[in-house]
Amino acid sequence: LAKTTQPISMDSYEGQEVNITCSHNNIATNDYITWYQQFPSQGPRFIIQGYKTKVTNEVASLFIPADRKSSTLSLPRVSLSDTAVYYCLVGDGLGGTYKYIFGTGTRLKVLA
Amino acid sequence: NAGVTQTPKFQVLKTGQSMTLQCAQDMNHEYMSWYRQDPGMGLRLIHYSVGAGITDQGEVPNGYNVSRSTTEDFPLRLLSAAPSQTSVYFCASSSSESSYNEQFFGPGTRLTVL
Repeated sequence: LAKTTQPISMDSYEGQEVNITCSHNNIATNDYITWYQQFPSQGPRFIIQGYKTKVTNEVASLFIPADRKSSTLSLPRVSLSDTAVYYCLVGDGLGGTYKYIFGTGTRLKVLA
Repeated sequence: NAGVTQTPKFQVLKTGQSMTLQCAQDMNHEYMSWYRQDPGMGLRLIHYSVGAGITDQGEVPNGYNVSRSTTEDFPLRLLSAAPSQTSVYFCASSSSESSYNEQFFGPGTRLTVL
């Protein structure tokens, strides 16, 4: 089972770069690593996804080392509106079908 | 496109009552799933489906039934509600079961069981 482990919470100040690391020791060869963001009273929404090395989009970067046993979500210059829970997700290819297992997530609080 | 829709938004049940939470998507997605989220906790997978007529259990399936008669709809049935099922329920869909595909989530149904 491709479980993930993340820090439970993090605090940061506006304008700082935030890095959230996720461990996924049992990631399968075909699995992609996906990060979701969830605001209170809303469903999660997709932020970024990668398979290896580095991926960057307009909101975040994702760093994945060669062994793919961990990944780091990087949020540049966070603002108060980035306060949310961030989930690292890998597909569970057990038995040939996939169960997307969310961990407990990382609760990021951005302070003024 | 409406995306993923869920009804109702809020529901209060008494212990032992049954009800169905509705989920529909208009993106022709094959993969659909149900999660529950307890206060201050992460999402836990209840059931999922990789296509019409195919369903399977997730992490916490007990007390819930699902069926998938069409690609668009994936209802979740609570057979005999218990206070432990008080939670927010999210439905999600993606184009296939591959982890490459982004999951789209509905707005959630907040269920209280008294």
